[in-house]
Amino acid sequence: LAKTTQPISMDSYEGQEVNITCSHNNIATNDYITWYQQFPSQGPRFIIQGYKTKVTNEVASLFIPADRKSSTLSLPRVSLSDTAVYYCLVGDLPFSGGYNKLIFGAGTRLAVHP
Amino acid sequence: NAGVTQTPKFRVLKTGQSMTLLCAQDMNHEYMYWYRQDPGMGLRLIHYSVGEGTTAKGEVPDGYNVSRLKKQNFLLGLESAAPSQTSVYFCASSYSPRVAVTYEQYFGPGTRLTVT
Repeated sequence: LAKTTQPISMDSYEGQEVNITCSHNNIATNDYITWYQQFPSQGPRFIIQGYKTKVTNEVASLFIPADRKSSTLSLPRVSLSDTAVYYCLVGDLPFSGGYNKLIFGAGTRLAVHP
Repeated sequence: NAGVTQTPKFRVLKTGQSMTLLCAQDMNHEYMYWYRQDPGMGLRLIHYSVGEGTTAKGEVPDGYNVSRLKKQNFLLGLESAAPSQTSVYFCASSYSPRVAVTYEQYFGPGTRLTVT
């Protein structure tokens, strides 16, 4: 199973760009990289997903180098409301032949300050 | 469109009691999941289902049972609750990978369970 490593916490200020890097050295060929955001007392919410190179949507960008052993979630111009826990997940969707390989680690706790 | 709903929101059980958590989704998703989240930790998969009438074990299935009698509902049962099962339980659903554009899971608001 692909294990991910993320910083435990990060601090930023409103208006800054925040980059959270996740390392996944044993990512498999079929694995996708997915990021979720979780606010206190709520379920996680999907942010972005990618397989290689760069993916951008209305809230974030995801950068994946050619070797795919790491990925970086980029949040442009964060606001106080971006204070949350961010999870990097690596895995294939279930479930042919085995159980779900989507592993939520402890995540990165991002605090955005005024 | 309510998305994923969970019942109840809070529950306190005594050791040895049983209960069932209900998850319902109105997005016609094939796949459904039950996770637990302990303080300061990520989510761990308990059981999942890839379609009506099918269930399978996840990472931490012991002490739990599930049923998926209807496509829109996924039930999580605790037959004999233990203090170690004190946690927040999240249900999620997703499209089948055969039709999904992304592997996005939609999560419910969670059920906070305390076993004393």
